[in-house]
Amino acid sequence: GQQVMQIPQYQHVQEGEDFTTYCNSSTTLSNIQWYKQRPGGHPVFLIQLVKSGEVKKQKRLTFQFGEAKKNSSLHITATQTTDVGTYFCAGPVGGGYNKLIFGAGTRLAVHP
Amino acid sequence: NAGVTQTPKFQVLKTGQSMTLQCAQDMNHNSMYWYRQDPGMGLRLIYYSASEGTTDKGEVPNGYNVSRLNKREFSLRLESAAPSQTSVYFCATRRDTAYEQYFGPGTRLTVT
Repeated sequence: GQQVMQIPQYQHVQEGEDFTTYCNSSTTLSNIQWYKQRPGGHPVFLIQLVKSGEVKKQKRLTFQFGEAKKNSSLHITATQTTDVGTYFCAGPVGGGYNKLIFGAGTRLAVHP
Repeated sequence: NAGVTQTPKFQVLKTGQSMTLQCAQDMNHNSMYWYRQDPGMGLRLIYYSASEGTTDKGEVPNGYNVSRLNKREFSLRLESAAPSQTSVYFCATRRDTAYEQYFGPGTRLTVT
């Protein structure tokens, strides 16, 4: 069945260092979404990428969708303690809107 | 606007007991979802409802039932709880023609 894999599972960095998490799908995706979950919280939608090769930025966060629309990455420049949490990618199951399949997430710890 | 609300926040059950997790939304969304989140496994879809009166199975439906009471409310029932159902349960909604989902605060369930 369709799978979405994320690496690494866990990363800890010193505050100010950069961080990247990678997402790979077993199938071509019509779009990919990224969510952030703070410790003890719930997933919150960050962004959606739709076009092949698309790059979007939100302040220190850069999101990229691969040319083949099967992989994506999230890069955080100069991490801050507020970046702590788990980052999930998700893609639609099949072609429709109805269901998403989530990666297992990358947990980011930032040491001051 | 409360967004998506879930009750209870925490629950401890004994094996074999039953309970219903409640979810309500004031976002006027047609689609609603139930997920479970286990360490290292991301979010797995239990059931979803594309509109009032319809429900469909997700990836891990065994041991659960759902009811879409009306457009606002979507409940998840455990008829005979098992320790394997210890998890954090999230309800989510989605507006039509969009992919991103909005999550409730979650219910942390422990089955002993």
